[in-house]
Amino acid sequence: NAGVTQTPKFRVLKTGQSMTLLCAQDMNHEYMYWYRQDPGMGLRLIHYSVGEGTTAKGEVPDGYNVSRLKKQNFLLGLESAAPSQTSVYFCASIQTGALNYGYTFGSGTRLTVV
Amino acid sequence: AQSVTQLGSHVSVSEGALVLLRCNYSSSVPPYLFWYVQYPNQGLQLLLKYTSAATLVKGINGFEAEFKKSETSFHLTKPSAHMSDAAEYFCAVASDTGRRALTFGSGTRLQVQP
Repeated sequence: NAGVTQTPKFRVLKTGQSMTLLCAQDMNHEYMYWYRQDPGMGLRLIHYSVGEGTTAKGEVPDGYNVSRLKKQNFLLGLESAAPSQTSVYFCASIQTGALNYGYTFGSGTRLTVV
Repeated sequence: AQSVTQLGSHVSVSEGALVLLRCNYSSSVPPYLFWYVQYPNQGLQLLLKYTSAATLVKGINGFEAEFKKSETSFHLTKPSAHMSDAAEYFCAVASDTGRRALTFGSGTRLQVQP
């Protein structure tokens, strides 16, 4: 089924550990986004990409890095996890000029940092 | 820059009563507006979207929203609440230029009393 797939779905990390979250889409979308969701704060943009090989910072980029080496994949990395990065992470994508069709979201990754 | 304000982090209604969830936005360019619903421990589901066509937008599950440019509002309504409507609702704004990222409000949790 076409869509956005996030892996893993759940993860528990110890403070200082590193990990990479993978977002994969099979719709040939140009734009991809990483959000984090925290109670009472809605979803906040971490990083985004407007095409293969490009990345840019969103509103809350500190402590995260991203890469988009292939058009279909957008990776979010945590180099040294902190308890403040405990959150639910969502990936989304959209095609250029296709806001009429809306965004496609992944099902989320629940990350706990202890 | 764009922003969204959702008035009321918690709204409680009786089953069968009118649901009104408020959303005001700020955007320097013509906005695209979205309402999403999130059930506990689930991802985001699109309820409806405004994409510069009709100002009254009908969505799934009996919800609708009206775009009022003069009031910069996009309030979500449903004539008669059902127990299954209990969830968190997010209003979001985007533009079809630049990074095309969604900017979310902080969310409104809807409680439906029997």
